[in-house]
Amino acid sequence: AQSVTQLDSQVPVFEEAPVELRCNYSSSVSVYLFWYVQYPNQGLQLLLKYLSGSTLVESINGFEAEFNKSQTSFHLRKPSVHISDTAEYFCAVSEGGSEKLVFGKGTKLTVNP
Amino acid sequence: GAVVSQHPSRVICKSGTSVKIECRSLDFQATTMFWYRQFPKKSLMLMATSNEGSKATYEQGVEKDKFLINHASLTLSTLTVTSAHPEDSSFYICSASLQGNGYTFGSGTRLTVV
Repeated sequence: AQSVTQLDSQVPVFEEAPVELRCNYSSSVSVYLFWYVQYPNQGLQLLLKYLSGSTLVESINGFEAEFNKSQTSFHLRKPSVHISDTAEYFCAVSEGGSEKLVFGKGTKLTVNP
Repeated sequence: GAVVSQHPSRVICKSGTSVKIECRSLDFQATTMFWYRQFPKKSLMLMATSNEGSKATYEQGVEKDKFLINHASLTLSTLTVTSAHPEDSSFYICSASLQGNGYTFGSGTRLTVV
């Protein structure tokens, strides 16, 4: 069965610093990978996704994630964060052919001035 | 892009009453929708998968008689929490499958049972 591990429950950083939010998954078949962002009392917004093709995917607001099949990872990175990036970030996986999404427990990113 | 509208955003109800949450796909047809429950400081727990025109598939441990799901049309799925109790207080989120192109989520409903 697939599972998703987000090792860091909280990540505090200073504004303009780089950040990496880690995500590892376990699956024996091909997977689709997603990062979602959630602001307080709101639903989830898709940040970026990997379905196929290039293993490096980017979002419009400067985030990127790289699918590493050998390490079963899909870490999220941003070279310089803003105060407005403060939110909860969820990594999610679905196995090829299945429509079920399995979520990690989330990482709360707090960007301090 | 594909948008899912979820209502209400917040609801407070008395213990023992029922509450209905609606999830509508605004500009596409959603054959499959999902209902999640999010506990404080925890991840999203999939409650059930809702397919248009058929019975929902519930995850293990989710009471289907308590959490009634109806997906009568390609643009509407509803979750009814029956005989709500304080322990049902939570954040409920729906999502719709984009048929191999990911998912889109509703904005969530904060249910408080008093």
